[in-house]
Amino acid sequence: AQKVTQAQTEISVVEKEDVTLDCVYETRDTTYYLFWYKQPPSGELVFLIRRNSFDEQNEISGRYSWNFQKSTSSFNFTITASQVVDSAVYFCALSEAWGVTGGGNKLTFGTGTQLKVEL
Amino acid sequence: GAGVSQSPSNKVTEKGKDVELRCDPISGHTALYWYRQSLGQGLEFLIYFQGNSAPDKSGLPSDRFSAERTGGSVSTLTIQRTQQEDSAVYLCASSLGARQPQHFGDGTRLSIL
Repeated sequence: AQKVTQAQTEISVVEKEDVTLDCVYETRDTTYYLFWYKQPPSGELVFLIRRNSFDEQNEISGRYSWNFQKSTSSFNFTITASQVVDSAVYFCALSEAWGVTGGGNKLTFGTGTQLKVEL
Repeated sequence: GAGVSQSPSNKVTEKGKDVELRCDPISGHTALYWYRQSLGQGLEFLIYFQGNSAPDKSGLPSDRFSAERTGGSVSTLTIQRTQQEDSAVYLCASSLGARQPQHFGDGTRLSIL
């Protein structure tokens, strides 16, 4: 069975601070995908990134960066110089890579981390 | 529009009534998923469609829940004899193929009185 743990329920930071959102996962699959989604107050889940389990390179996109460590089953997300617009709930998710059970890439989500960025 | 469209945005109904929720995926997306988001259970997978077929229905919580997809496009999630525990936001997502990232709609907020 797959499981995603986001131990941080809520984080509050002041604008321009860096913040890291933690994600730890469990899976018996040897190949899988990891995702981060953002859910702003409007409610729509916005796709941020997908990583394949055999690609452990870290990735940077503007102020966002992701640190994937297979050895510790973690896929952490850092926002540099946070802004008020970053305030949202962030979800980490996991899926099998090949859909061998017929389930496509159904996502197993963590419980989310509420990020509040204040002026 | 270019995104996943869900209707209605909000639905309030009495316990015991049937409801239908609609999802219009992004054009050309062959894979379609339904999820449910509730305070107690978080985000849960319900069902997956590839074209008009549903290879994975494992997340449907009871036989009161059913879904169909026609023409490889629009999908309808039906809940019969609604119960208060069905209150949640029902999210639809679509992807270009089974292995592509999913793009979500705004959801339907269902409230059972």
